[in-house]
Amino acid sequence: QVQLVQSGAEVKKPGASVKVSCKASGYTFSTYGINWVRQAPGQGLEWMGWISVYNGNTNYAQKVQGRVTMTTDTSTSTAYMEVRNLRSDDTAVYYCARGSGGGWYTPLDYWGQGTLVTVSS
Amino acid sequence: EIVLTQSPGTLSLSPGERATLSCRASQSLSSSNLAWYQQKPGQAPRLLISGASSRATGIPDRFSGSGSGTDFTLTISRLEPEDFALYYCQQYGRSPPTFGQGTKVEIK
Repeated sequence: QVQLVQSGAEVKKPGASVKVSCKASGYTFSTYGINWVRQAPGQGLEWMGWISVYNGNTNYAQKVQGRVTMTTDTSTSTAYMEVRNLRSDDTAVYYCARGSGGGWYTPLDYWGQGTLVTVSS
Repeated sequence: EIVLTQSPGTLSLSPGERATLSCRASQSLSSSNLAWYQQKPGQAPRLLISGASSRATGIPDRFSGSGSGTDFTLTISRLEPEDFALYYCQQYGRSPPTFGQGTKVEIK
């Protein structure tokens, strides 16, 4: 069965960086893209970006462009998202989610369990 | 970017009743690239509907989606206890993909 398992919770100071991992299993990793979505406490869902596992193409939300890098390691079927220069409003649960097709323009059919990133001085 | 407006914000209903949730887009969605997700407290969202009306794998047939253009609807024909949750719509046809703010379906 398809599973996305994310790394554990992180506490970071403002200005630091965080790298969240998402290990996929149960399907051919390179066939589908990976999206990252975050949810601030008590708030809705915010799409952050997408990466093609097949060729490394990315599409980032303008709000985080320049501070976020998404990568994949096909040898371990793991996707990563790094957020730099963290601010307090980056405090959120970060989810990875598989796109149901190859591009960013697909619904998100499987989700990781989420990783809480807390930014606090 | 396309703004999705969901209504109502909260829907108070009893088990067995019918729930009708609305999602309105600020621009027409070509190819009905609209999905619905369910989220329960402390859990990740779960895909219910894609392509405006196609149920995802394993989703009960009491969930149905309809609509096109700018107006979309998620209907739950008879609410089961496990259906009380938050529901989000998402458009994925134009970059950036965007979500509505959510509708909470609560027990009356």
